[in-house]
Order: sequence, then structure tokens, then C-alpha cells
Amino acid sequence: AQSVSQHNHHVILSEAASLELGCNYSYGGTVNLFWYVQYPGQHLQLLLKYFSGDPLVKGIKGFEAEFIKSKFSFNLRKPSVQWSDTAEYFCAVTYTGFQKLVFGTGTRLLVSP
Amino acid sequence: KAGVTQTPRYLIKTRGQQVTLSCSPISGHRSVSWYQQTPGQGLQFLFEYFSETQRNKGNFPGRFSGRQFSNSRSEMNVSTLELGDSALYLCASSLTRNEQFFGPGTRLTVL
Repeated sequence: AQSVSQHNHHVILSEAASLELGCNYSYGGTVNLFWYVQYPGQHLQLLLKYFSGDPLVKGIKGFEAEFIKSKFSFNLRKPSVQWSDTAEYFCAVTYTGFQKLVFGTGTRLLVSP
Repeated sequence: KAGVTQTPRYLIKTRGQQVTLSCSPISGHRSVSWYQQTPGQGLQFLFEYFSETQRNKGNFPGRFSGRQFSNSRSEMNVSTLELGDSALYLCASSLTRNEQFFGPGTRLTVL
């Protein structure tokens, strides 16, 4: 079955700390990978996406993610978090030919000032 | 360009009733997908419509149905509501087959 695993359910960081959120997906062929963010009271927004090419992708607000095909991973990183990064982060995948997004369970990030 | 809009934003229903939720995609987007978000199950795919045809369906009972109109607007219907149907229902639209843009959702509470 297609699935996405996010290893950290809750993460608490201080401002300026570095962030890395893990994401692994089950094998199912060619994939497209996404990280979405849901700020408190707001709707899901796309942070970044990987379709093909350079496995290191940069997104909005200083976030980046690296696709490692051999590890079926797509980890999200940010060198220095801000209080405004407090949100829930979702990793998601679509398998080529299908529009269905398969989401991970999400990681709640709390950044303390 | 206006984003994805969903109406209503909040709904309260009782068990056994039925409900219809509406989604207007971004102008020009022909694909509309629906997702259910709950604390226990997370985000789960319901179905996808493209050019008025259901192209993909998730693992939900037949009480969940949808349709898409010629202007790409979509509705989803849940009949015989159960307590477990309480959730945030999200609609997403896309131009290409990959990147989806989400609306604010409809929060359904079943009492």
C-alpha cells in the first residue's frame, strides 16, 4: 500500500535552531514529492515540491528538501527557524499517473521565541 | 487570481442527515480533489474529478459521493451522516496533474 511516514510527530525548537523533519515514502514507482504547511487557522500551503532533476529543492520561506531515491526519503530542512514557522508540516507524495496525494501524519512544530 | 473557495465554512448536522459541500476551483483549473482531515486519520483522499468525470476514488463508503459541473465547480455529498464523519473537508484544484492548491476547508460537525 502507498504510504508516507513522518518520524517526528511533535518538535519543539528555540528560534535560530536548525530544523530537519524526516519523511519516507513506500516504493511505488516514479513519484512526485511535496511538503505542505498548515499555519494555525490557515489552509494548507505548498512549501516546496520535487518532480525531477536536482534532488535538492528550495521552497518558500527558506525551506529546502533533499530527495534521496535510494532511501525513499524527502527530508525537510531549514537552517534557522523563526517563531512564525510554528505550524504543522505534511509530507505528501503522488505516484505518476495518479492525482491522489498520499499524506504523512504530519509534524507539529512549535518554535519558542 | 482568486484561490480555491469552499462553502459553507462550518456546518453542524445530526446523525442520519445528509450534507452537500461546495468547492470552486481556481479559474482555469479543471481537476478538483477532495480530502478528509481528522485528528485520528490525518489527511485522506476521497476522490478526484476532471472534466466532470470521476478519475480516482479513495477508500470511503458509498455514502460519500461527488460530482463536477461543466464550469469545474465541484460538490461532495455525504448521506446518512455518522458521528465519525465529523472532519475538515478540503478541496484542492490543479491545472496540471501534479501541483494541487487547497481551499480553507469546510468543518463539519455531526451531533
